[in-house]
Formats: sequence, C-alpha cells, structure tokens
Amino acid sequence: DVKVTQSSRYLVKRTGEKVFLECVQDMDHENMFWYRQDPGLGLRLIYFSYDVKMKEKGDIPEGYSVSREKKERFSLILESASTNQTSMYLCASRRQGLAGYEQYFGPGTRLTVT
Amino acid sequence: KQEVTQIPAALSVPEGENLVLNCSFTDSAIYNLQWFRQDPGKGLTSLLLIQSSQREQTSGRLNASLDKSSGRSTLYIAASQPGDSATYLCAVVGQGAQKLVFGQGTRLTINP
Repeated sequence: DVKVTQSSRYLVKRTGEKVFLECVQDMDHENMFWYRQDPGLGLRLIYFSYDVKMKEKGDIPEGYSVSREKKERFSLILESASTNQTSMYLCASRRQGLAGYEQYFGPGTRLTVT
Repeated sequence: KQEVTQIPAALSVPEGENLVLNCSFTDSAIYNLQWFRQDPGKGLTSLLLIQSSQREQTSGRLNASLDKSSGRSTLYIAASQPGDSATYLCAVVGQGAQKLVFGQGTRLTINP
C-alpha cells in the first residue's frame, strides 16, 4: 500500500512565524504535490514537484515556498505565516507519467495561524 | 481552462438504496479521471481511476463510468451503507497538464 504521511495533524502558529510542513511518501514516486483546502473554494494546488530539486508553481503559490532535496520528502514552507493561511493542507504523490497513475493523499495538516 | 462540476452538492438517501453521483468536465481531452472519498477532517482516499481509453471501472460496490466525448462521469454506489457517508470528489488530468483539476464534491449522507 502506498503511504503518504504528514508531519502533523494539527498545528497552531503565530502570525509572522516561519512554518514547515513535511510530507513523506514511501513508494518512490517522482511527483509530489501540496494543496490547500478551504470551505467553498475546494482543493487548490500550491506547488508541485516533478522530481528531486524540481518544483513548479501551482495556482496559488504566493506566500509559500517548497523544498525537495530527497525523492521521498516534499516540504512546504510558510516564510511568514499570516491568518489567511489558516487552512487544511494536503500533500499527495504520484508516479511520473502523464497517463494512468493514481494520486495518493496524506491525512492532512490542519494549520491555524493566530 | 478545464472546469469540473459535481451536482448535486449534497445528497441524503436511506440506507440500502443504490445511488449515482455525477461529475462533468468542460474539456474532453483528458488522460484520466479519478474518484476520491473524503471523511470530515481527513485526507482524500482514492476510490477508482479510469483511463481515458476505458469506459468503466469497478471496485466492490462501486462502479465508475466515463463518457469522454460528452464530458461526464458517474459513480454508482450499490446497496448504500451509513459508512458510505462522506464527501466524494472527482478530478481529471488534462492532456498536456500534470495537474489534477478537482470538482467541489458531493456530500453524501446515508441515513440508517
């Protein structure tokens, strides 16, 4: 079974703090993704990575950065957390290839910025 | 730009009924379509993946169909159970894009 894990289920941070969200997958997948999910807005892609050290902006990258130094790990960084970044953050991974591969999600991190 | 729509936004049915969830997409040039389930406060669980060349996929009581030319997919749930209560999302991967485009989901409630 594919397993995608996220470092925290719940996180509370203060405005202005630097926040790291970690995601690890155990299936040697090349592609990894970070989403945020908000009521009424659905799932929105923040960043994705095709492979190690490769990254591409998604639909809402402002205020975020990412790091992929190892294949199994994809980190989302909030350089200076703000209250509008309070959200559910979901990580996902998938084998490389345009067709045919399922995307697997982690359990999510509920981040609250006060 | 690909858009995915799921109707209805919410559905409530008695236990034991067979039901159909709908998903439509605006651009028929897709590589695949994936159905997910999400329980409150949790991540997404992959249910079924349909390749663009396939018409349907089955897993247990679930059957997903794909009509690419009309831009539609349905998820059929047989003999519904209270444990099926969740939000169901569909998502497509368009040709030339590596990203999933999600619908807003259908919140399903199965009443005992």
